[in-house]
Amino acid sequence: SQQGEEDPQALSIQEGENATMNCSYKTSINNLQWYRQNSGRGLVHLILIRSNEREKHSGRLRVTLDTSKKSSSLLITASRAADTASYFCATDRDSGGGADGLTFGKGTHLIIQP
Amino acid sequence: NAGVTQTPKFQVLKTGQSMTLQCAQDMNHEYMSWYRQDPGMGLRLIHYSVGAGITDQGEVPNGYNVSRSTTEDFPLRLLSAAPSQTSVYFCASSGSPRVPQHFGDGTRLSIL
Repeated sequence: SQQGEEDPQALSIQEGENATMNCSYKTSINNLQWYRQNSGRGLVHLILIRSNEREKHSGRLRVTLDTSKKSSSLLITASRAADTASYFCATDRDSGGGADGLTFGKGTHLIIQP
Repeated sequence: NAGVTQTPKFQVLKTGQSMTLQCAQDMNHEYMSWYRQDPGMGLRLIHYSVGAGITDQGEVPNGYNVSRSTTEDFPLRLLSAAPSQTSVYFCASSGSPRVPQHFGDGTRLSIL
């Protein structure tokens, strides 16, 4: 079953604007990760935020995590055409040490208009 | 570094045929996994392995077999292909299941 759900499903903005994507999940987690997927390629890891962290930055990326609401957001500032891609959140279920991998949401397709 | 290499990149099969999707990584990662990606469904875990000789089922294992005889290789076998297995298949590896995963570029599989 899908753990994470991204919102919106699609987002189109002008170059230079900020893009915000949201992710909601259902069960307790150890960490939450964001990935980017360019068309026809595999997923590339962007950032990981642990369950005891509230905010994390990496370059133009800012991720927040609210475990009480079971939600996360990814902010891309000063967007560029190269940011056009699909973005996925992924959670690892807090399964007591289980090793059963990540659960991905359905993704947000971001289009940056020049 | 090659990272995670998947072959073939594209494949068309007829219903009932069998085939093996190859995945190799050169990062000495213990953890490897297979996902399928369908439109509007995100990625779903098929099988995973925490080391050579150890495999387990993920969310959607039916119709697929895996084995892990070496640290580097984690092939995915379709036993009798069905149209419902038309998808893009991704292999990933990492040092453990909860750290960032390294993905291959996928195998696009069509079952007619």
